[in-house]
Amino acid sequence: TAGITQAPTSQILAAGRSMTLRCTQDMRHNAMYWYRQDLGLGLRLIHYSNTAGTTGKGEVPDGYSVSRANTDDFPLTLASAVPSQTSVYFCASTRDGTSGGASEQFFGPGTRLTVL
Amino acid sequence: GQNIDQPTEMTATEGAIVQINCTYQTSGFNGLFWYQQHAGEAPTFLSYNVLDGLEEKGRFSSFLSRSKGYSYLLLKELQMKDSASYLCAVTDSNYQLIWGAGTKLIIKP
Repeated sequence: TAGITQAPTSQILAAGRSMTLRCTQDMRHNAMYWYRQDLGLGLRLIHYSNTAGTTGKGEVPDGYSVSRANTDDFPLTLASAVPSQTSVYFCASTRDGTSGGASEQFFGPGTRLTVL
Repeated sequence: GQNIDQPTEMTATEGAIVQINCTYQTSGFNGLFWYQQHAGEAPTFLSYNVLDGLEEKGRFSSFLSRSKGYSYLLLKELQMKDSASYLCAVTDSNYQLIWGAGTKLIIKP
C-alpha cells in the first residue's frame, strides 16, 4: 500500500508563476490536509477537506486554493507564487472527517518548494 | 491565543533516558499527540493521550496531565536512530490540531 504520495518531490519556481502540488491517498480516508513547515515553526494548516466535495480554510490559507473532487486526490494550487511561500509542504489524511480530530494523521513525503 | 511550548533542542547519550516536555494553552482539549520526524522526512505517529496518566509503548512512553496542560514523551534505552525531531500536537475544542515547533533530539555515542 502506497499510503499518501505527493508530487513533485521538489520544485524551484519563479515568483509570479502558478503551480499545483499534487497529493493522492489510497487509504480511502475521508479527511485530507495541507500543511506547510518552516524552520522554527510548527506545522501550519493551509486548507483541509473533511470529505470529498468540501473544503475549509486553515491557519494560513492566503495565496493558496484547494479542491476535493474525489476521495483520493487533494491538489494545492498557488495562483501567483511569492518568495514567502518557500517552504516544505506536507499533505496528510485521517480516517474520520473532523478537521484534525482525534485520529492519527498519515503524512505524505512532502514537497520542497523554493520561490525565487 | 493557542500555544504549545517545547524545548527547541535536547542532547542525550546512547543507552540513556530522555524526557521531552510539552506544555499547552488551547481553547479546549480533545487529545494530545506525539509525532517523530527524521530530518528530511514526514512526521510519523508515536502516541495519543486523551486521559491523564502514562501510556507505554515499548521504549517510548507518553504522559498527560490535563489540569496542568502538560505532557512528556519519555524515551528509554536511546538508540542512534532516535535522533529526530519530536512534535507535540493538541486537538482543541473545534477538533483543530495545534502543532508545537518540535524538539530536535541529538543522540551522542
